[in-house]
Amino acid sequence: KQEVTQIPAALSVPEGENLVLNCSFTDSAIYNLQWFRQDPGKGLTSLLLIQSSQREQTSGRLNASLDKSSGRSTLYIAASQPGDSATYLCAGSYQLTFGKGTKLSVIP
Amino acid sequence: EPEVTQTPSHQVTQMGQEVILRCVPISNHLYFYWYRQILGQKVEFLVSFYNNEISEKSEIFDDQFSVERPDGSNFTLKIRSTKLEDSAMYFCASSGRTGTPGRSTFGSGTRLTVV
Repeated sequence: KQEVTQIPAALSVPEGENLVLNCSFTDSAIYNLQWFRQDPGKGLTSLLLIQSSQREQTSGRLNASLDKSSGRSTLYIAASQPGDSATYLCAGSYQLTFGKGTKLSVIP
Repeated sequence: EPEVTQTPSHQVTQMGQEVILRCVPISNHLYFYWYRQILGQKVEFLVSFYNNEISEKSEIFDDQFSVERPDGSNFTLKIRSTKLEDSAMYFCASSGRTGTPGRSTFGSGTRLTVV
């Protein structure tokens, strides 16, 4: 059974800082890995999808990597902005197994 | 950009009642899912639906739950005999235009409150 862990649970950074969010999973036979953003009381917004054959994906200031052999994915956010404040979730495979998320606060 | 639409956004029901949560997935998507998120907890997979039948379901998805695609556009989750612990945000998602699951797009959710 796939287990997904995200570290840290919460992160507070000053505006403009680059940061990395971590995600680890137990089953390396992962089909794909997806990063989401969730604002309080809201739905999930897909940020990036990495297929199992890929190593990374980029979208704007976001870059996500996938290392299946080590069971890890990272989400890199460059030049963070207050609008990036949200909970970031990673999830793997067809029937997405989610981590608990990292709550990010970007301080102006 | 195409969206997954869920209605209602908030539903309050009395314990023991039946509720139907509705979803309109992205047209031409082939895979449909329901997830739930109890307040303060992880998003949990409930069920996936492909080719007009359930393709996989979690331990949570017991006989109390059922899904249906009554027509070409709607996808519903029925919860019978609701319990207090069914209170959660329920998310519908869809994926896969080409026959393989890919990026999942989520709806905004239905907040179910059982009183």
